[in-house]
Amino acid sequence: GAGVSQSPSNKVTEKGKDVELRCDPISGHTALYWYRQSLGQGLEFLIYFQGNSAPDKSGLPSDRFSAERTGGSVSTLTIQRTQQEDSAVYLCASSLVGTGSYEQYFGPGTRLTVT
Amino acid sequence: KQEVTQIPAALSVPEGENLVLNCSFTDSAIYNLQWFRQDPGKGLTSLLLIQSSQREQTSGRLNASLDKSSGRSTLYIAASQPGDSATYLCAVNFSNSGYALNFGKGTSLLVTP
Repeated sequence: GAGVSQSPSNKVTEKGKDVELRCDPISGHTALYWYRQSLGQGLEFLIYFQGNSAPDKSGLPSDRFSAERTGGSVSTLTIQRTQQEDSAVYLCASSLVGTGSYEQYFGPGTRLTVT
Repeated sequence: KQEVTQIPAALSVPEGENLVLNCSFTDSAIYNLQWFRQDPGKGLTSLLLIQSSQREQTSGRLNASLDKSSGRSTLYIAASQPGDSATYLCAVNFSNSGYALNFGKGTSLLVTP
């Protein structure tokens, strides 16, 4: 079947604008994760969903970042009042069950550039 | 702080050589360890997943080992090919950090013809 998909693939926005990034997980995967990959920072965890609930939001860098998941499927990561330091590649992953025992499969990412 | 370290940061080898990429982590209490490949401008491709109870996993020319007690994993690539050129990332799911993967900064591999 299809893998994890993300849209848009690239997003350029002006500082101060809000952006929404979308993730479609692999069908049947109940766990969904958002990560961010920045130059010099490597890959860092942002948030994890099990179904529509987010038991772990510990990685969200500020209250400008939020995420939701509806219908146990599609997730949206929203960044309000974007700053230049938000520029990064945002990666979404899904796994069959969020028990720590299952592989995470990653999407191609959304490259966000804040000018 | 739980950390994942990969050595070397970059590696260049001629085609046909066998090579080893190293990953170390600071806490032996883990759920699993995953090796990924990332091509420039692309997402991550999962290569191998090793559960905490396992010692190694193999897929084709790839073999990954896990030694929890010493906090180390190695990725062995046999008979390297130019198509293996990519960044290889090690990621650890620590038991007390929920389900988040903690990534190393990667090893950039170049296999020359």
